Amino acid sequence: DAEITQSPRHKITETGRQVTLACHQTWNHNNMFWYRQDLGHGLRLIHYSYGVHDTNKGEVSDGYSVSRSNTEDLPLTLESAASSQTSVYFCASSESKGNTQYFGPGTRLTVL
Amino acid sequence: AQSVTQLGSHVSVSEGALVLLRCNYSSSVPPYLFWYVQYPNQGLQLLLKYTSAATLVKGINGFEAEFKKSETSFHLTKPSAHMSDAAEYFCAVSGSAGGTSYGKLTFGQGTILTVHP
Repeated sequence: DAEITQSPRHKITETGRQVTLACHQTWNHNNMFWYRQDLGHGLRLIHYSYGVHDTNKGEVSDGYSVSRSNTEDLPLTLESAASSQTSVYFCASSESKGNTQYFGPGTRLTVL
Repeated sequence: AQSVTQLGSHVSVSEGALVLLRCNYSSSVPPYLFWYVQYPNQGLQLLLKYTSAATLVKGINGFEAEFKKSETSFHLTKPSAHMSDAAEYFCAVSGSAGGTSYGKLTFGQGTILTVHP
């Protein structure tokens, strides 16, 4: 069955380190998204991509970057991790803009 | 710009009672509206969505929601709660085709539903 996976599921890192969170989908979806989930804020959009080599900033993009070199993967990089980036990160994908977004299981990141 | 407000961060009901989770939205264009459910330590799963067809939308697990344009609301209901419904529920909005917010979801803060025996 097609699916969307995220790795690692849990990560502890130190302030200032570079961290990359992986997202891989096997639906062949054009659109991919990264969100962060924080108590009281719901999910907020970090970056998104509508196809290979396309990337766009979302609501809370500062300190994060993405690249899309193929259809299946959209890795999220924290250039220099900060304690404020401690959160649960979700990746999602959709076939087209009007279609349902399907979510991965999430990555819990702790920055000490 | 678009936004979503979920009234009540926590809702508690008894098993068998009506479930009502409230969602109000703001959108400058005709919206698409969604309800997602999140079980502990899992990702989000779509319950139902409104995309400008019938205003009463039926979803999975017996849930339904009604789009009321005049009230800018999209409340989620279920006639009889089950213990397995305990989870966090998120309302989300995106713009319809042609707008800059098309395809991008804006989420509410979430409502945690507790079901008592």
